[in-house]
Amino acid sequence: AQKITQTQPGMFVQEKEAVTLDCTYDTSDPSYGLFWYKQPSSGEMIFLIYQGSYDQQNATEGRYSLNFQKARKSANLVISASQLGDSAMYFCAMRVSTGNQFYFGTGTSLTVIP
Amino acid sequence: GAVVSQHPSRVICKSGTSVKIECRSLDFQATTMFWYRQFPKQSLMLMATSNEGSKATYEQGVEKDKFLINHASLTLSTLTVTSAHPEDSSFYICSARDRGGAHDTQYFGPGTRLTVL
Repeated sequence: AQKITQTQPGMFVQEKEAVTLDCTYDTSDPSYGLFWYKQPSSGEMIFLIYQGSYDQQNATEGRYSLNFQKARKSANLVISASQLGDSAMYFCAMRVSTGNQFYFGTGTSLTVIP
Repeated sequence: GAVVSQHPSRVICKSGTSVKIECRSLDFQATTMFWYRQFPKQSLMLMATSNEGSKATYEQGVEKDKFLINHASLTLSTLTVTSAHPEDSSFYICSARDRGGAHDTQYFGPGTRLTVL
């Protein structure tokens, strides 16, 4: 069975500081993809970053980077230089190669403090 | 990234009526679309997987006769909530799988907030 765990229901970070949002996953499928989405209060789900299970390097997209530790089955999202607009819910998700659907974590609510 | 639209964004209806929600992939073809339901401060709950040209696959516990899904083209899937009741009030969000994209990512629509009176 596939499972995504986000253990931080809420996080606070000072503006311009970096913050790490935790995500661990469990799967027996050797091929999988890990995704992070941002959901602001408007409700839309915004794709942020992707990490493939066979990728040798950690993914980066602008201020977002993914700290991928395969042996620990963790895929933490790092947001550098936090901005007020980063305040939102963040969801970690996984899709295995043998399936169609995404498995979502319970989300982390991030609040950026001015 | 790819764009997915969803219409309407908000709907209020009386109990017993049916409501149709449209999900469109605007700049890519999506053979597979997904319908989710989200309660306040909770994660997304997958309701069904919509496959173009074939019947949808519903998750356990989701009534297929109540939540009708049609995926008639490569860019359009619809969810019809039939005989809606107040307990159907929720945030419904669709996504489309972009198999031709960089990471075979799911892109989400902006969601539909349904309120049943």
